[in-house]
Amino acid sequence: NAGVTQTPKFQVLKTGQSMTLQCAQDMNHEYMSWYRQDPGMGLRLIHYSVGAGITDQGEVPNGYNVSRSTTEDFPLRLLSAAPSQTSVYFCASSPSPRVPPLHFGNGTRLTVT
Amino acid sequence: QKEVEQDPGPLSVPEGAIVSLNCTYSNSAFQYFMWYRQYSRKGPELLMYTYSSGNKEDGRFTAQVDKSSKYISLFIRDSQPSDSATYLCAMRGPNAGGTSYGKLTFGQGTILTVHP
Repeated sequence: NAGVTQTPKFQVLKTGQSMTLQCAQDMNHEYMSWYRQDPGMGLRLIHYSVGAGITDQGEVPNGYNVSRSTTEDFPLRLLSAAPSQTSVYFCASSPSPRVPPLHFGNGTRLTVT
Repeated sequence: QKEVEQDPGPLSVPEGAIVSLNCTYSNSAFQYFMWYRQYSRKGPELLMYTYSSGNKEDGRFTAQVDKSSKYISLFIRDSQPSDSATYLCAMRGPNAGGTSYGKLTFGQGTILTVHP
C-alpha cells in the first residue's frame, strides 16, 4: 500500500514550458486535491476532484489544468510555466470530500526560471 | 486580511514543555477544524479533526475550539524532540452545499523545535 505517490520529486522549467505533475493513489479514495505551498502562505488549494470525471477549481486555479479519468490518478498540468509558479506542490486524497485530506504525497518541488 | 491567521514562530521549547499553538479566523462559516503536522521535506499528516466548540484529546495532543471567539488551539503535553515540525491549522465550511464544500483554508504554519 503506497498511499499517495507524486512524481517527479524535483523539476526545473524555463518560462513558457509546459509539464504535468503526476499523482496516484491506491486506496480507492473518491476525493483528491492539489495544493501549492509557498513560504508564509500556508497551503492553497489549486483544483480538486470528488470522483472520476468531476473536477472543480480551488482558490488559485489560474495557469493549471486537471482531469480525473480514473479514480487512481489526478494529474496537474502547467500550461505555460511562469516564475510565479515556483512552489512546492502537494497532492492529497481522502475517502470523500466530507473527510479532510488524510494522505498527502511528499511533494514536487518546482522551480521556474 | 487573511481568513486564517497563524503565528509563524519559530517556537523553540525544551523537552517536556507544554506547547500551545494557535490560529484565529474571520469566516464564521467555518465549521470543521484540523491540525496537521509537517516534517521537513514531507507532506502534511492529519493530527486532529474537530467539529464543535470544546476540547478533543488524543494522547499528548489536545485540540481546542472556541467558535464564539473564532480561535483554535493545539496543546502538546510533555513535548518530545520528535514533535519538532511545522504545525498547520486548517478549516472549512459545511459538508453540504455552498462553495466551501470540501475546500480547506490553511494557516501559514508554525515552526516548532523541541530541544533535548
